[in-house]
Amino acid sequence: EDQVTQSPEALRLQEGESSSLNCSYTVSGLRGLFWYRQDPGKGPEFLFTLYSAGEEKEKERLKATLTKKESFLHITAPKPEDSATYLCAVQARVGANNLFFGTGTRLTVIP
Amino acid sequence: GAGVSQSPSNKVTEKGKDVELRCDPISGHTALYWYRQSLGQGLEFLIYFQGNSAPDKSGLPSDRFSAERTGGSVSTLTIQRTQQEDSAVYLCASSLMLGLGGELFFGEGSRLTVL
Repeated sequence: EDQVTQSPEALRLQEGESSSLNCSYTVSGLRGLFWYRQDPGKGPEFLFTLYSAGEEKEKERLKATLTKKESFLHITAPKPEDSATYLCAVQARVGANNLFFGTGTRLTVIP
Repeated sequence: GAGVSQSPSNKVTEKGKDVELRCDPISGHTALYWYRQSLGQGLEFLIYFQGNSAPDKSGLPSDRFSAERTGGSVSTLTIQRTQQEDSAVYLCASSLMLGLGGELFFGEGSRLTVL
């Protein structure tokens, strides 16, 4: 059975305090791993797609990495506007038509 | 507008009533998805449309749930005889083609509360 587990559930950081969010997955054949950001009352907003182990993507203060079992979202010198819930999702197996989401990590960055 | 539009943004209904939720995807996006997000839960896949056909309805939780898409554009999710456990945010997303790595673009959701 496909599983996506995100940790921690919640994370509070001081502004400028770098950290990492984890997404562990168990799928039969990974086609893609996606990171989304979700602000309260909004729909998820796309951040990155990773396809193969060793791949890395960067955007501003965020960097996503992928291994065969997990992905990390590294946040460098975060700012209060980075506060949001970060969702990890997988497209599992060839022909899968949907994304399977984890429950997210709620990040709060304190000024 | 340029994004995915959903209506209503909020709906409060009584148990046993039927509700319809509407999604207007990004123009030109052939793939359309419905997800449900309950408090403290991850996004739960409901149904996927490619054009007007729904090749994957595997996520619909019961036969009280149905969805259609007309003209390859607007989609309606209908919940009949609503129950309190149906209370959630219903999110619609569209995509050019997920299999080619196209990301999903989400609307802001319809928050359903069943009293």
